Amino acid sequence: DARVTQTPRHKVTEMGQEVTMRCQPILGHNTVFWYRQTMMQGLELLAYFRNRAPLDDSGMPKDRFSAEMPDATLATLKIQPSEPRDSAVYFCASGLSFPGSPNTGELFFGEGSRLTVL
Amino acid sequence: GDSVTQMEGPVTLSEEACLTINCTYTATGYPSLFWYVQYPGEGLQLLLKATKADDKGSNKGFEATYRKETTSFHLEKGSVQVSDSAVYFCALIGTGNQFYFGTGTSLTVIP
Repeated sequence: DARVTQTPRHKVTEMGQEVTMRCQPILGHNTVFWYRQTMMQGLELLAYFRNRAPLDDSGMPKDRFSAEMPDATLATLKIQPSEPRDSAVYFCASGLSFPGSPNTGELFFGEGSRLTVL
Repeated sequence: GDSVTQMEGPVTLSEEACLTINCTYTATGYPSLFWYVQYPGEGLQLLLKATKADDKGSNKGFEATYRKETTSFHLEKGSVQVSDSAVYFCALIGTGNQFYFGTGTSLTVIP
């Protein structure tokens, strides 16, 4: 049963600490998205990769957030230093996208990483 | 730019009531349209989709019709159940093959 796997599921840390969240996309998928969900802001796009190349990270605070795909089976989202306002649920999603095609089909979401920064 | 606007929640209905959650979109070209559902404590999952005008997506008793003339994709269900309680997101694939999500509408169905 193919699914997107995220770790950790829950993380509590103190302000100023580094936080790394990991995502294993579904094998064969070539797009990966990172979203942040909060009650106040809803679902916000942080970063978008296709074929491991970053296409859009305009929604990500550059001074403290970074997103990478070291290989096709791993995407990481790092926050350094973390702040209380970063407390949220972070979702990774993967899908298929073909250049020139108007329809990329379904996005598959992981169960999310719930981050609490004290 | 591309965007999705959906009905503000929360929505509370009694079991077996009719549901409509409104969704309108702005996009260049002809986007594919989606409804995603998020159950408590879980990630989003695809509920239904439509890829061209007049297409009707359906799943689990939910339906939505792609209306190009009104740029809408309203979600409907004739008789909701307690198990339908969740947050519903309208979405489209727009410029650059990027997904655009609405703000989500929370539905609570009471017995």
